[in-house]
Amino acid sequence: GAVVSQHPSRVICKSGTSVKIECRSLDFQATTMFWYRQFPKQSLMLMATSNEGSKATYEQGVEKDKFLINHASLTLSTLTVTSAHPEDSSFYICSARGLTYSNQPQHFGDGTRLSIL
Amino acid sequence: GENVEQHPSTLSVQEGDSAVIKCTYSDSASNYFPWYKQELGKGPQLIIDIRSNVGEKKDQRIAVTLNKTAKHFSLHITETQPEDSAVYFCAATPSTGNQFYFGTGTSLTVIP
Repeated sequence: GAVVSQHPSRVICKSGTSVKIECRSLDFQATTMFWYRQFPKQSLMLMATSNEGSKATYEQGVEKDKFLINHASLTLSTLTVTSAHPEDSSFYICSARGLTYSNQPQHFGDGTRLSIL
Repeated sequence: GENVEQHPSTLSVQEGDSAVIKCTYSDSASNYFPWYKQELGKGPQLIIDIRSNVGEKKDQRIAVTLNKTAKHFSLHITETQPEDSAVYFCAATPSTGNQFYFGTGTSLTVIP
């Protein structure tokens, strides 16, 4: 159980393109979903926390107009990188936490490798 | 806020030997400590977790110990196998919050 599906797994696109990444909890309802960015050989950097039906909470230094997050249902959250530039190239990972989140793990998707040319 | 430190950053062991990764945390309110394994190009996968009302938990070759007084917890892998090679992350989270605070990761290499 506790499967999180993230799509696409790999995106290569031109500078200026907007890219949407989907994160779905397949077998549980996720009150909260998290979006991380990971640079090579580094830990996970939290970008934002999204709760179903409300606005996402962004970490300091993360541009909310650049990284649009929507959490429209208990099983789906999306991250849209708007007008992407080469510096946005990275590995983006989502995670989801169930309805009763106290002392429960986050379950991660397999990440999206974004490459902006 | 919470600060999680993880050591070592890299670890190489011979197949069959044990591996130990240690983490410390700063916030005494943290009460949930998961461990994740991340293989190259993949997302982190939960391998074991421990809650603050327990001092030790074991699942086959993997065990985690927690010392609340000293604010540290450790991952123990016995009889290591090449497929255990990956990056391992510890995390801590307080009961009152939603955010996980991750360690900086340990790259484990098991040498056949």
